[in-house]
Amino acid sequence: LAKTTQPISMDSYEGQEVNITCSHNNIATNDYITWYQQFPSQGPRFIIQGYKTKVTNEVASLFIPADRKSSTLSLPRVSLSDTAVYYCLVGASTGRRALTFGSGTRLQVQP
Amino acid sequence: GAVVSQHPSWVICKSGTSVKIECRSLDFQATTMFWYRQFPKQSLMLMATSNEGSKATYEQGVEKDKFLINHASLTLSTLTVTSAHPEDSSFYICSAITPQAGAEETQYFGPGTRLLVL
Repeated sequence: LAKTTQPISMDSYEGQEVNITCSHNNIATNDYITWYQQFPSQGPRFIIQGYKTKVTNEVASLFIPADRKSSTLSLPRVSLSDTAVYYCLVGASTGRRALTFGSGTRLQVQP
Repeated sequence: GAVVSQHPSWVICKSGTSVKIECRSLDFQATTMFWYRQFPKQSLMLMATSNEGSKATYEQGVEKDKFLINHASLTLSTLTVTSAHPEDSSFYICSAITPQAGAEETQYFGPGTRLLVL
C-alpha cells in the first residue's frame, strides 16, 4: 500500500481556513485517497474521499493534482471543535483491503 | 454515512480473563470487517481482517490464538482477547466496508472499545 507523509502537527485559529497536505508518491492507479478525523478515545470519522481533481462536501474539500502524488484537505473556517488528528490514507477502492494508517496530523485550533 | 457500533465501549478485567468485543454494522451488510488496535498517542495498527464465513487473516506479529475473531453473520464480527494481560490494555477499533454501487468502497469505523487489564 502507498505510504503517506503528513505534517505531524498544525496550529490555527478559529475562523481560518486550514489546508493539510499529504504526500503519496507511490500511489497506484486504482488507489483512492481518503481522509479521516479522529478525536481522543473515538474511532476515526470519514471526512472525504476522492480519486482526482476536486471533491467537495458539506464539511471539507479535497484537492488532488493531476499526478495524484499529493492531496490537500481543506477545512473552511475551522472552529475549536475541529481540533483533532487528521489521517490521509490511500488504498484500492475495491478488493476489501484494510487501510494503512500513518502518523496523522494533529490540528490544534486556538480561540 | 454508514453506522458501525461496538460493544462494550469500555471494559475493565482482571489479568488472565477473556474479554469479548462486538462490532456490528447497523444499516448495511459487511462481508469484510477489520480490527485495529491503538495505543496512546499512536496511530491505528491493523490486527486482522475478518471475513464472513471464513477464517480471519491476521497481521504479522498478532497471535491468532490470543485474539480470536469470529464473523458469523454479515453484520457482526467479534474479537475475543483470551487470557488478557496488562500489555493488552489498549483501544480496539473495528471497521467495515460498505458495498457501493459504483467503483469506490468506503471504510467506516466503530467508536472503539477501551480495554484495561488489571
